[in-house]
Formats: sequence, structure tokens, C-alpha cells
Amino acid sequence: LAKTTQPISMDSYEGQEVNITCSHNNIATNDYITWYQQFPSQGPRFIIQGYKTKVTNEVASLFIPADRKSSTLSLPRVSLSDTAVYYCLVHTGGGNKLTFGTGTQLKVEL
Amino acid sequence: DGGITQSPKYLFRKEGQNVTLSCEQNLNHDAMYWYRQDPGQGLRLIYYSQIVNDFQKGDIAEGYSVSREKKESFPLTVTSAQKNPTAFYLCASSSVSRGRLHSNQPQHFGDGTRLSIL
Repeated sequence: LAKTTQPISMDSYEGQEVNITCSHNNIATNDYITWYQQFPSQGPRFIIQGYKTKVTNEVASLFIPADRKSSTLSLPRVSLSDTAVYYCLVHTGGGNKLTFGTGTQLKVEL
Repeated sequence: DGGITQSPKYLFRKEGQNVTLSCEQNLNHDAMYWYRQDPGQGLRLIYYSQIVNDFQKGDIAEGYSVSREKKESFPLTVTSAQKNPTAFYLCASSSVSRGRLHSNQPQHFGDGTRLSIL
């Protein structure tokens, strides 16, 4: 059974760089990897999306190795407001199935 | 102001009762989705629709029903057959790329409906 896995939790301090990895060994060919941020009692919000190598926007970077079986979300210089749950989303099973990762609770402290 | 609106924010259901959760979007998106989220857990897909008058079961469709009569609306009914309906329900929408579901089109989410059993 295809599974998309992430670490359950991570702790960090303000100003540090945080890297969260998602394993998706059954990702569909030609499909993208998308990362979302979710605060309590709210819907997830789009952070970044990529297909291969590296993508960067104003809030994060996404690193994807050549085999695309994993991806790493990088948050530079986190702040308290980055405390949230982070999810990856991929197509699996030949592109017919949407699979959210298990989610990573990031806690940022002073 | 474009976005997705879910209502109500909180909903209570009595045993044996059907309840309907509303989801409306004004983003002109073709695809819409319903997810269920249990405390401390990830999102599981209930149903999705790529086009009006068409919808497909997700991973946990049993005990739920949907309709897609209009592009902007995708209501979810939690039926009495759903024995454990207490959860946070999230609706989302996205464009459809090259006729495929969410190929490279991010999903936009509403802020959810929390359903509880009385």
C-alpha cells in the first residue's frame, strides 16, 4: 500500500532553518509535490509546489532528488508564527490517487 | 474577494440524523474535494468532483453522499450510516490541468466545519 510519510514532530528555535522531509516512494510520473501549512481549526494553506530539483519562493524552498521518491521543505529563519502542521501532497498509484502525508507538527520556541 | 466558504463552522448531529455541510467557491475552479480530519491526524479524501454532475469516491466514502449540480457548490451529506461522524470536515477546490485531477494545480481550502454528535 502506497504511503506518504513524514516525521511526526520537530522542534526548533526562532531564526533557525528547518527542513522537513516527506517520503513518497510511489509518486506518479509527471505529477507534482505540493506542501501545505495548517494552523489549528483552519484549512491548510499552500506553501510551495515543485516537480524536480529545487524551487524557491518568498517563504520556502523545496528540494526534490532525481528519483523523486522524497522531497524536503526548507523554511529559512523560522519564527514563532511558523508553529503549525506541515503536510505534503502527492499523486500516487499512477496518478489516480491523492495522498496527503501524515503531517509534521513544527514547534518554534524563543 | 475570492475564496471558499464552508458553513456552518460548528454543527451538531443527533443519532440517526442526516446533516448537510455546505461548501461554496467563487474561484471558478472545476474540481472540488471533501476531506475528513480526525484529531491529531492527517486529511483523508471522502469524495471529489472534477466537473458538474460528476463525482468520485475517495478513500472513505462510506456513510457520506455528495452532489455537484452547480460549479460553485459541492455539499456533503453525512448520513446516519456514518457511525463515527465526529471530525473536522474540510472542503477544497482547484483548477484541472490537462483534464487530470490536481496535476499541478494547488488546492484552496475552506476553514472547515466541526461536526459533533449530541
